[in-house]
Amino acid sequence: EIVLTQSPGTLSLSPGERATLSCRASQSIYNNYLAWYQQKPGQAPRLLIYGASSRATGIPDRFSGSGSGTDFPLTISRLEPEDFAVYYCQQYGTSPITFGQGTRLEIK
Amino acid sequence: EVQLLESGGDLVQPGGSLRLSCAASGFTFNTCAMTWVRQAPGKGLEWVSTINGNGGNTYYADSVKGRFSISRDNSKNTLFLLMNNLRAEDTALYYCAKGRGGFNLYDYWGQGTLVTVSS
Repeated sequence: EIVLTQSPGTLSLSPGERATLSCRASQSIYNNYLAWYQQKPGQAPRLLIYGASSRATGIPDRFSGSGSGTDFPLTISRLEPEDFAVYYCQQYGTSPITFGQGTRLEIK
Repeated sequence: EVQLLESGGDLVQPGGSLRLSCAASGFTFNTCAMTWVRQAPGKGLEWVSTINGNGGNTYYADSVKGRFSISRDNSKNTLFLLMNNLRAEDTALYYCAKGRGGFNLYDYWGQGTLVTVSS
């Protein structure tokens, strides 16, 4: 199974700052089938990015995904108060589907 | 508007059984793969099981294979998860999720139903 390792575990930043979250895979992800989800307390996850770099419907352009192979960063260009949440990456190219352990983005 | 509404979560003893349901609306249910994803309290997301649109193909995580069974009733736009021989480590919030574009990524999620396995 492909293991996804997210770093850092917690990221403390202020609104307006730039955030970069890392997702690294234990082996190359087929066709860069890598997605990012945002989860706020008490809510279900929300799809942000798929195919490593395509934004899902309604996702603001301050969210951008990139990378290929085994290294997939998520960048939030200017943090808004509503962006503070937990972020998960997921690979969907190889069975079994796997998720990273999450990065908590908190207000500094 | 896409809606997914899970139900059936409960407190159950180890070794017990439970059936979860997910009522779907707002999209053409029989064309979409559906998935169960769970989240243990304070933990991350874990893929559990997926079923394709016509119900002919099912997939399971190793942790639940042989104990859980996913199914769907396309006439009622409902997804199910039958869970047998439950263990303490199955305690989690169980989400149903709609597959996007034939891929195993999820563009809509329900709010989850809580399963607690404890004596």
